[in-house]
Amino acid sequence: GAVVSQHPSWVICKSGTSVKIECRSLDFQATTMFWYRQFPKQSLMLMATSNEGSKATYEQGVEKDKFLINHASLTLSTLTVTSAHPEDSSFYICSAKRTSVATDTQYFGPGTRLTVL
Amino acid sequence: SQKIEQNSEALNIQEGKTATLTCNYTNYSPAYLQWYRQDPGRGPVFLLLIRENEKEKRKERLKVTFDTTLKQSLFHITASQPADSATYLCALDIMEYGNKLVFGAGTILRVKS
Repeated sequence: GAVVSQHPSWVICKSGTSVKIECRSLDFQATTMFWYRQFPKQSLMLMATSNEGSKATYEQGVEKDKFLINHASLTLSTLTVTSAHPEDSSFYICSAKRTSVATDTQYFGPGTRLTVL
Repeated sequence: SQKIEQNSEALNIQEGKTATLTCNYTNYSPAYLQWYRQDPGRGPVFLLLIRENEKEKRKERLKVTFDTTLKQSLFHITASQPADSATYLCALDIMEYGNKLVFGAGTILRVKS
């Protein structure tokens, strides 16, 4: 149990276009979902935290108008990269927790590789 | 400044030996420390969580220690196998940050047969 999926697994887009990435918890309801990005050989950097039905909380330095997050249900969160540019190319990973308890495990999705040409 | 440091150089060991990975941190007071495994092009997979008041945690061939005085965690894989080859990430759970996870950059482990 506790499987998190992401779609698409990879995407290539032209500069200026928008890309939507979906994150689903397949066999559990996720109170909280997180979005991270990871550059090659670097650590995961938290971009935002989202709770179902409320606005996402963005980390310092992350533009909320550029990275739109929608946590529409307890099993689905989406990240939309608007007006993507080459510097947005990265590995985007979501994670989900059943509850807000600190020790509850975060289950990570397989990631989405975004390449902006 | 706050830092999490993991050995940036890959650790190469022979099959059957014990692999020991290090996670050092400065200027953090984590309530919990977690270790994850990440394979190339994949998301992290949770392995172990250790609390600040625990010295050691074990799970099958894995052992984690946590020394809050030294601000260090050690991650051991005994009887290592080629299938253990991956990047291992440590992550601190910072209460004052709303229990968000702060990750180290990871250490690559290569187990040779």
